[in-house]
Amino acid sequence: DGGITQSPKYLFRKEGQNVTLSCEQNLNHDAMYWYRQDPGQGLRLIYYSQIVNDFQKGDIAEGYSVSREKKESFPLTVTSAQKNPTAFYLCASSISLGELFFGEGSRLTVL
Amino acid sequence: ILNVEQSPQSLHVQEGDSTNFTCSFPSSNFYALHWYRWETAKSPEALFVMTLNGDEKKKGRISATLNTKEGYSYLYIKGSQPEDSATYLCAFRSSGNTGKLIFGQGTTLQVKP
Repeated sequence: DGGITQSPKYLFRKEGQNVTLSCEQNLNHDAMYWYRQDPGQGLRLIYYSQIVNDFQKGDIAEGYSVSREKKESFPLTVTSAQKNPTAFYLCASSISLGELFFGEGSRLTVL
Repeated sequence: ILNVEQSPQSLHVQEGDSTNFTCSFPSSNFYALHWYRWETAKSPEALFVMTLNGDEKKKGRISATLNTKEGYSYLYIKGSQPEDSATYLCAFRSSGNTGKLIFGQGTTLQVKP
């Protein structure tokens, strides 16, 4: 079935460690996005990519990094520079500027 | 940072009630307005993508209107059912930077049987 797969679903990290969240899609979508959700807040845009080998910062990119080496994949690295990384992370993709299709999310907890 | 506001933050209604909520967005440089439904333990799913001023879209008991000149969109649910309980999100694309899709905080609807 076509869709977006995020892994892992749950992740625990010690302070000072980098961690990478995986996002893979087989929908042949050009654009991919990473959002973060905190309790009581909406989805905030971390990074987005409209085409392979290109990506732009969203509103809260500090402490995060991404790559887009393949159309299907858009991994997000949460670095030790991210001051408050505990959150729920959602990956999404779209055909150009159309509706977003979301993964099931990854919940990161920093111990 | 573009400001997208939704109201109310939460809403409790009885089964059968009709309800509506609001999404406010910048009235300049409009490209598109999206509505999504996010049910607990599921992924958000698109309801509507609206691009023209005056647009009205409908899917079953749910409909939406768009006013780009004044920067607002309404989502209506007619005859709410318990399965309509979810968080409803709107999201805005600016013509100045179409790659970014900025979400509001959402309206959480609880429909009591």
